Amino acid sequence: SQTIHQWPATLVQPVGSPLSLECTVEGTSNPNLYWYRQAAGRGLQLLFYSVGIGQISSEVPQNLSASRPQDRQFILSSKKLLLSDSGFYLCAWSTHSNQPQHFGDGTRLSIL
Amino acid sequence: GQQLNQSPQSMFIQEGEDVSMNCTSSSIFNTWLWYKQDPGEGPVLLIALYKAGELTSNGRLTAQFGITRKDSFLNISASIPSDVGIYFCAGHNAGNMLTFGGGTRLMVKP
Repeated sequence: SQTIHQWPATLVQPVGSPLSLECTVEGTSNPNLYWYRQAAGRGLQLLFYSVGIGQISSEVPQNLSASRPQDRQFILSSKKLLLSDSGFYLCAWSTHSNQPQHFGDGTRLSIL
Repeated sequence: GQQLNQSPQSMFIQEGEDVSMNCTSSSIFNTWLWYKQDPGEGPVLLIALYKAGELTSNGRLTAQFGITRKDSFLNISASIPSDVGIYFCAGHNAGNMLTFGGGTRLMVKP
């Protein structure tokens, strides 16, 4: 069966520091991969999606970037974090863009 | 962009009650999905609907894909305490982009 792993589960970072969140999927090949941000008590905002290695689409201009160095690895990065980058970051995968997405357990990012 | 209007935003339940929530849109969707999110965790897929008029159950949960393809509802029968959480609807449009509703927060009556 397919599984999705995100780490770390929680992260506290100072303003201006870099960021790297990692997501990996097991049990499937060539998945679509997604990064979302969720503000407290709010809905999900799509940040990036990828349909293949090295292919990244950005939905919202921001201080973040994404990369897909391997088929089942998706990384969310920032060179300099802002206070507004705080939130709950979720990675998801799907077999195809018109199929249901399946989510990881998320990373709670707090910026001080 | 497309929006999904999910209601109610929040509701209190008493154990044993039936619960109903819905999502509506001004645009047509090709699939409707319902997720549940527990605190500190990612959303978990409950039900996926692929055809207009489709009615699908998953245990005490029942969801329907509206005939107009612009709405969907989720019912929970005989609620139990572990039903609390946030429920999200989501839909794929013609371009296969997934749009999420704002969520319905289910809480237990004190």
